[in-house]
Amino acid sequence: SQQGEEDPQALSIQEGENATMNCSYKTSINNLQWYRQNSGRGLVHLILIRSNEREKHSGRLRVTLDTSKKSSSLLITASRAADTASYFCAIAGGTSYGKLTFGQGTILTVHP
Amino acid sequence: SQTIHQWPATLVQPVGSPLSLECTVEGTSNPNLYWYRQAAGRGLQLLFYSVGIGQISSEVPQNLSASRPQDRQFILSSKKLLLSDSGFYLCAWNRDSKETQYFGPGTRLLVL
Repeated sequence: SQQGEEDPQALSIQEGENATMNCSYKTSINNLQWYRQNSGRGLVHLILIRSNEREKHSGRLRVTLDTSKKSSSLLITASRAADTASYFCAIAGGTSYGKLTFGQGTILTVHP
Repeated sequence: SQTIHQWPATLVQPVGSPLSLECTVEGTSNPNLYWYRQAAGRGLQLLFYSVGIGQISSEVPQNLSASRPQDRQFILSSKKLLLSDSGFYLCAWNRDSKETQYFGPGTRLLVL
């Protein structure tokens, strides 16, 4: 399976701290995407990183991709209470039709 | 700009009753459309996807079916609901199967 697996399953931090979430996968990929989901809502796309990229930034978000280790990390710097949500990585396979396969997610809680 | 709508937002149905959830996309043409189910605290399970009118691919055997009667309309149905059909149903679209998906707000279904 090419399903991404997030680690940790849950993360609890204080406002101002950095939050790091990891995603591992097993097959070749075209790209890897990170999404955020607030409780009871739809998913919102955060960042897409392609297989030939190593790092991307968007505001307080930094995503890295290591294709040799088949892993990616999402770093949220200077976290805020409003960052509290579930974060999912999604894999777009390199050889398949390319449907996204989502991991189980990391639940991030940022305490004010 | 593109928007995606889902309704109803919440639905409580008795076991054995029929189901029809609707998803529509505005502001784009010939989108790829997806139905996902999300159990509480879990990741997304892809149920169906469609690359065009009348073209439906099923990812997992189940009690549900999908139809795409119009280019930007995707319907999830069941003839007889089971307790196990309870969950959070999300519709999504994208232009390229490997690229960013845009999610609707979701429908929470409770089968009693």
